[in-house]
Amino acid sequence: QSVLTQPPSVSGAPGQRVTISCTGSSSNIGSIYDVHWYQQLPGTAPKLLIYGNNNRPSGVPDRFSGSKSGTSASLAITGLQAEDEADYYCQSYDSSLSGSVFGGGTKLTVL
Amino acid sequence: EVQLVESGGGLVQPGGSLRLSCAASGFTFTNYYMHWVRQAPGKGLVWVSRISGGGSSTNYADSVKGRFTISRDNAKNTLYLQISSLRGEDTAVYYCARERSTGGDALDIWGQGAMVSVSS
Repeated sequence: QSVLTQPPSVSGAPGQRVTISCTGSSSNIGSIYDVHWYQQLPGTAPKLLIYGNNNRPSGVPDRFSGSKSGTSASLAITGLQAEDEADYYCQSYDSSLSGSVFGGGTKLTVL
Repeated sequence: EVQLVESGGGLVQPGGSLRLSCAASGFTFTNYYMHWVRQAPGKGLVWVSRISGGGSSTNYADSVKGRFTISRDNAKNTLYLQISSLRGEDTAVYYCARERSTGGDALDIWGQGAMVSVSS
């Protein structure tokens, strides 16, 4: 069981908007620690999608955005495309564990 | 090109040991914290360990503490993970990753992964 909780799956039609939630606690997201998001396409290494709650690395489309409030964070994807079908993971730091923690991952299906 | 390349994976018997290596290129290795993250077949990402740029500070997930040792050789631009007392649940792809210089502990560069299989 992961320290950060994500829905196992979400889906949406092309062009739609979907959101993926990531729920933590006062020792991680609810504290001073940032949330980061990763995209993992089948058979490949994870790719950084969002860092510092809401910042996109160079090359990541602005269809991807992140937010954080209280003990939760969210990843939003607008204008859904077939190539967005992947697994998505949130990550933060946990002061109780003295280390990084990942969510369990969310599989995005583009209908 | 900024790159991380893992090596050293393989099939190991329960109770055995293995050392994974991660060769870095294209950036000033000593300036960055480095991490190991693993992923069991069909499962999610699990953080394993982190080491500071100079190598003096390390952190481990509780599940590997006392069995895994992270280290680095900055002269060789190489990160290591010594894994011992291996168990079936250690079977996974092991990724090395670079922590961004700013923006918290976000991991901006990942290797392709090294598969470790624990079986008799």
